[in-house]
Formats: sequence, structure tokens, C-alpha cells
Amino acid sequence: NAGVTQTPKFRVLKTGQSMTLLCAQDMNHEYMYWYRQDPGMGLRLIHYSVGEGTTAKGEVPDGYNVSRLKKQNFLLGLESAAPSQTSVYFCASSYSGDRTTDTQYFGPGTRLTVL
Amino acid sequence: GESVGLHLPTLSVQEGDNSIINCAYSNSASDYFIWYKQESGKGPQFIIDIRSNMDKRQGQRVTVLLNKTVKHLSLQIAATQPGDSAVYFCGGGSNYKLTFGKGTLLTVNP
Repeated sequence: NAGVTQTPKFRVLKTGQSMTLLCAQDMNHEYMYWYRQDPGMGLRLIHYSVGEGTTAKGEVPDGYNVSRLKKQNFLLGLESAAPSQTSVYFCASSYSGDRTTDTQYFGPGTRLTVL
Repeated sequence: GESVGLHLPTLSVQEGDNSIINCAYSNSASDYFIWYKQESGKGPQFIIDIRSNMDKRQGQRVTVLLNKTVKHLSLQIAATQPGDSAVYFCGGGSNYKLTFGKGTLLTVNP
């Protein structure tokens, strides 16, 4: 199993450009999450999904949109990138029906720079 | 909501010593806690987790202790090795959502 994969690994955008980050998991997990990680701060939840076709806002959702058209994929979109969105983005997934654990498994991250 | 914080941003230990990394949480309703290891340039890697109905759980060279009375969580690493050098952070929450601390940078000196 590849676990959680993210595409791309690195990206540089200009202010106002748009892009989509792709997350894929092969663990048949129901829940998927997008976080951002900034220096000196813990992981902050942007959006999450509790199942195919559903999405919900997390702690810092402004400026981002998400879609979960397939159970294994979770897309994060930036419609008009801003320098404040420069960050490392992590995708995670959890829950395959085992209620004894809420372990979230993380991808390797996407390092995004907005100029 | 939950607030999770670490006591020390950095910890330096000698190879072979035991390491203890601490965490505090605010929400007494949180019923699940977890520790991650994150190496530079990589994603967080699951280490060990614990449910609130337990006080202690052991893994390979790692132990997590949960004190619900004072809302405190700790990670103990036995016989710390150079490969243990990384940022460690805790998470806590319930119902599939977690809040994470900022992390402690563990440096292992040879």
C-alpha cells in the first residue's frame, strides 16, 4: 500500500493564480483532512470530509475549497492564491470502520510558495 | 474546542538516555490522544495513541502516559537513539477530529 500520497510535492505560484492539490489514499478510509503547517504553529485544519461527496470547514477554511468526488481522493483548491497561503500542506486520512482508533495517517506534504 | 500545547519547544538528550516529552490539553471531553514524529521535510509519522479509558500504553521503546486529572499527556522514549531526532507533537480530540500541539524538537547528542 502506498498509504497517503500528495501531488505535487512543491509549487511556486504568483499572487492571484489558482491551483489544485491532490490527495489520494489506498486504505479505504472514510475520513480525509487537509491541514496547513506554518513555522511555530501546530497543524491547523482547513477542511475535512467524513465520506464521499461530503465536505466541511475546519479551523482556517477561508481562501480554500475542497471536493471529495471519489472516496480515495480529496482535492484542495486555491482559487486566487495570496502570500499568506505560503505554507506546507498535509493531507491525512482515517477510519476504516475500526472504532478503536482515530489514527490519522499523513501524506508527505506539499510545499507551496506564493510570491 | 480543544487546545493542545507542549511544555518545551526543544529537548536535548544524550544517546542512550530516556526522553520525556510533555503535552497538556484543555478539553476534558477529549477521548483520544496521539503522538507523531516528524522528520525534517517529511509528513508526520504515527508513533502511538491512547484512549481516555487508559492511563498507559506501551509500544516498542515508547510509552504514552495519560493523566486525565491534570489533563496531561507524555511520551517516553527509552534508550534514545540518534534516529529519534525529530519534532514530536501530540494531538487530542474526539469524533475523528484532532487538534495538535506545536511540537518539541528532540535532539539526540552522541
